[in-house]
Amino acid sequence: ETGVTQTPRHLVMGMTNKKSLKCEQHLGHNAMYWYKQSAKKPLELMFVYNFKEQTENNSVPSRFSPECPNSSHLFLHLHTLQPEDSALYLCASSQDRLPVEKLFFGSGTQLSVL
Amino acid sequence: GESVGLHLPTLSVQEGDNSIINCAYSNSASDYFIWYKQESGKGPQFIIDIRSNMDKRQGQRVTVLLNKTVKHLSLQIAATQPGDSAVYFCAENNGVFGKGTRLSVIA
Repeated sequence: ETGVTQTPRHLVMGMTNKKSLKCEQHLGHNAMYWYKQSAKKPLELMFVYNFKEQTENNSVPSRFSPECPNSSHLFLHLHTLQPEDSALYLCASSQDRLPVEKLFFGSGTQLSVL
Repeated sequence: GESVGLHLPTLSVQEGDNSIINCAYSNSASDYFIWYKQESGKGPQFIIDIRSNMDKRQGQRVTVLLNKTVKHLSLQIAATQPGDSAVYFCAENNGVFGKGTRLSVIA
């Protein structure tokens, strides 16, 4: 148990659906992250939040919309996704913002877009 | 979640042998490096780290070597066990990860 919980573990959605991924950390950390893991690019940093404020958006398409209501919760809202968006989406947290010594990851949500 | 389907370099070793996993980095200004292990169905987990003012750091059965001249890191696992089978990533402290290497241990 890493202290970072992601739900759901698996998600299948059509291209016209709207769904959300949820991440919760119980570590008292101030920074949270979304990563995408796929066959083409093993670990891509998507978004970074520090004290609820977005500090980094690595050219992610607008069909991915993050939300961080507080330092413990992070969401990734999905809308009009493409089949190439199928991947493992990992949430992570750290005590402080980047640069940082250690990231704590959840187990991920395996997303399939049909 | 799994990293199944990732087209990664693979290292196969016999149980009990030593494993060496290599990683190259590009940013010569990086001052801190981390190795993560990702088992099937889990996210990456911290194994060991090293600062740029060191060239070697040892943990329990693991050693990380840093060669700043050629911007190269290696992770050495002694007496490799079946539980070491996983994907291993090196990372810089800016959140950027390397491509990863899949380690398969043959019993």
